[in-house]
Amino acid sequence: QVQLQESGPGLVKPSETLSLTCIMSGGSMRNYYWTWIRQPSGKRLEWIGYIYNTGTTTYNPSLKSRVTISIDTSKNQFSLELSSVTAADTAVYYCARDRHAGTDYWGQGTLVTVSS
Amino acid sequence: DIQMTQSPSTLSASVGDRVTITCRASQSLSSWLAWYQQKPGKAPKLLIYQASSLESGVPSRFSGSGAGTEFTLTISSLQPDDFATYYCQQYNNYPWTFGQGTKVEIK
Repeated sequence: QVQLQESGPGLVKPSETLSLTCIMSGGSMRNYYWTWIRQPSGKRLEWIGYIYNTGTTTYNPSLKSRVTISIDTSKNQFSLELSSVTAADTAVYYCARDRHAGTDYWGQGTLVTVSS
Repeated sequence: DIQMTQSPSTLSASVGDRVTITCRASQSLSSWLAWYQQKPGKAPKLLIYQASSLESGVPSRFSGSGAGTEFTLTISSLQPDDFATYYCQQYNNYPWTFGQGTKVEIK
């Protein structure tokens, strides 16, 4: 059974960089797209982007200038960096597995608050 | 971006009711649409992919239909565990986008 677990600071200051890591267990990273999705409180889900196991990335154009997703398949983990954050980036951040037929495994989510 | 619009936004229903949720896309998706169930404080759960394919382990009372720009999620007989918020998601064009959600409440 694939399991995903996000980790990282729950509080980030405005203009700084949000950094999260997701550790995957119980499966292989091969042939899947490893995804970050966020959800501001009471709002719809927003797809941030994903990385294929080969390292190829695709980002949401609305965030592309600030986002970097990386992967370390030897450690079964992938990471998100979002730079120059503002209060609008406050959200629950989920890591997930996308198989291009739906997103089938999700982490539990981690709340990141942007505040000074 | 492809805009996804769900209706209704809130739905009040009773156990045993047949429930239908609609999702409309601003452009054709072929069949590249998924449905998720989300409960408070939890991650979304995949129910349906490719518009009508039931994800493994999901009860058969859930079904999906549609193609192009209009899709539906149907729960044939609402169960107590089904009270939740449901989202559609398109994965035909980047960026993947979600509907605003439909909250299914107890009547």
